[in-house]
Order: sequence, then structure tokens, then C-alpha cells
Amino acid sequence: NAGVTQTPKFQVLKTGQSMTLQCAQDMNHEYMSWYRQDPGMGLRLIHYSVGAGITDQGEVPNGYNVSRSTTEDFPLRLLSAAPSQTSVYFCASRRSENTEAFFGQGTRLTVV
Amino acid sequence: GDSVTQMEGPVTLSEEAFLTINCTYTATGYPSLFWYVQYPGEGLQLLLKATKADDKGSNKGFEATYRKETTSFHLEKGSVQVSDSAVYFCALPAYSGAGSYQLTFGKGTKLSVIP
Repeated sequence: NAGVTQTPKFQVLKTGQSMTLQCAQDMNHEYMSWYRQDPGMGLRLIHYSVGAGITDQGEVPNGYNVSRSTTEDFPLRLLSAAPSQTSVYFCASRRSENTEAFFGQGTRLTVV
Repeated sequence: GDSVTQMEGPVTLSEEAFLTINCTYTATGYPSLFWYVQYPGEGLQLLLKATKADDKGSNKGFEATYRKETTSFHLEKGSVQVSDSAVYFCALPAYSGAGSYQLTFGKGTKLSVIP
């Protein structure tokens, strides 16, 4: 039972570098999302997808890109890392709109 | 828009004390309501859920009742343990403005239970 798998678990980037956070789920869920978690801010939605080929922006999309070429994978790309993107990132998937989400273990990203 | 508001804490309790974490919601319809728990260094896990008014969700000694009259979904546990120390999030699906509903979360309540 893999569920939602995120890689890497930890990453340090220099300002201006780019990278991709990987997310994969094996539950055949249509809905996938990326959140960032910052102290005192709870979880904020970055981007989401309601199926392969369909993505949309959440609350805090600037500086991030996503694509959804398969049902299983939903990578998050940081185009040019900034210190403000230092955060813990969580990927989640769910079967439908009114069902619970399953979360990955998170990626702790530090931008120096 | 649809949202949840929960007490932010932190909350510190002695072992075997009674726990209440308040959560109120604003929603145009009657969405499912969720409580998630996050243990240190881990992702969020579903703790319990309720799918309609007057439903009671329960798990691991925790309970929450979907109250339409008071638009609330308070989390309770009769006797907390040290192992319950974690951050608790209330959540509901909120309309995204683009034709779908996305899970929106409260800011989280950090619970510390001391022996």
C-alpha cells in the first residue's frame, strides 16, 4: 500500500535554481493537489488537478508550475527558487470532491 | 466563500484530561467535514469524518458531530494520552471558483499532552 509518494524528503536549493518535486499515487484518484505548510499559516493550496490534462491554480500559485500527463503523477516545478519558497510541501490525492484526501510524507525545502 | 475557523492554541493538557478543539465552518451547501492529525515530522492523516448533518465521526477515542444549527464540528476526546500530542486540522471542500471543490484547512491546533 504505497498511497501517495513524494520525493525528495529534504532539499536545499540556492536562490535562482529550479527543481521538480515529485508526487505519485497508486489509488487511481482523479483529484490531486499541492499544498505548502508554513508556521502559523496552516496549509495553503498551490495548484490542483481534477484529472489527467487538467490543472488549475490555487491560493498561492506564483513561482510554481504543474502538469498532469498521467493519472498517477503530479509534479510541482519551482522555476526560480526564492527564499520565500522555503516551506514544507505536501501532495495529496482524493477520489472525488467530497471525499477525504490522502497525503504524502512531505518535502522540506530550504532556499538559501 | 466556504471556510473553516478553528481555535489555534497551542493547547497543553495533562494526561487523562478532557480535550475540546473548536471548529466552525461557513458553507453554501452541506459538505463533508474532516479532522486531520499531523504527528511531528509526518504528513497529515485522516482522523475522522462526517458526511451529513448530525453524523458523528469517531476514531481512536476522538469524536466530532456535524452540527448544522451551530455550523460546528468540534473535536473531543474524553481522556488524552501523551501519544495524542500532534497538530489537528479541521477541513472541508470549498468551491475553488473554477468549477471544482478543493479541500481547505483551518490553521491547525497544536496539542501537547504532558505526563
